[in-house]
Amino acid sequence: GENVEQHPSTLSVQEGDSAVIKCTYSDSASNYFPWYKQELGKRPQLIIDIRSNVGEKKDQRIAVTLNKTAKHFSLHITETQPEDSAVYFCAAPLISNFGNEKLTFGTGTRLTIIP
Amino acid sequence: EPEVTQTPSHQVTQMGQEVILRCVPISNHLYFYWYRQILGQKVEFLVSFYNNEISEKSEIFDDQFSVERPDGSNFTLKIRSTKLEDSAMYFCASSDSGGIRNEQFFGPGTRLTVL
Repeated sequence: GENVEQHPSTLSVQEGDSAVIKCTYSDSASNYFPWYKQELGKRPQLIIDIRSNVGEKKDQRIAVTLNKTAKHFSLHITETQPEDSAVYFCAAPLISNFGNEKLTFGTGTRLTIIP
Repeated sequence: EPEVTQTPSHQVTQMGQEVILRCVPISNHLYFYWYRQILGQKVEFLVSFYNNEISEKSEIFDDQFSVERPDGSNFTLKIRSTKLEDSAMYFCASSDSGGIRNEQFFGPGTRLTVL
């Protein structure tokens, strides 16, 4: 099965600075890597994802990079704002025999933006 | 924008009692999932469901758990005899297709407290 590791577990960043969160995965067949943001008491929400045919994807202040050889992918948030404070989870799928994904989540990173 | 809904938002039960957690997936979605999140920990996959049958389940999903799609809109998770360690947030998710191309949309969760 898939094993996903995520670092760091907590991260404090001055407002305006960048934050980087890293994940590694074990299953070389995985080819889709979503990142979820979870605010306190709320549902996980997809913020960006990347597929294995590209090495980087950017959406405004958020970017994700993927290194398939090394089996790791990273979330980059630039010009951080207080509303970026949340727990961020990376995930990797395991495709079942029925063709649907079972997501294996990382352990989460609690990001705190210091005003 | 369509959303996954879950009821109740919070369920308190005595150990050994049965609970049913309810979910209404997004209407045109075909793949359904249950995940749980113990307080402060990562999101863990429980079970996936497609075409009226379980497509994959985790080690957590033992004989005490069952899922059902009793009609065209609801998707339920039953825990037959709850244990203290079942206390967690339970998230339902759905996607419109399997495979690697489709986001799983999460519901707001049901917080289950077993006393």
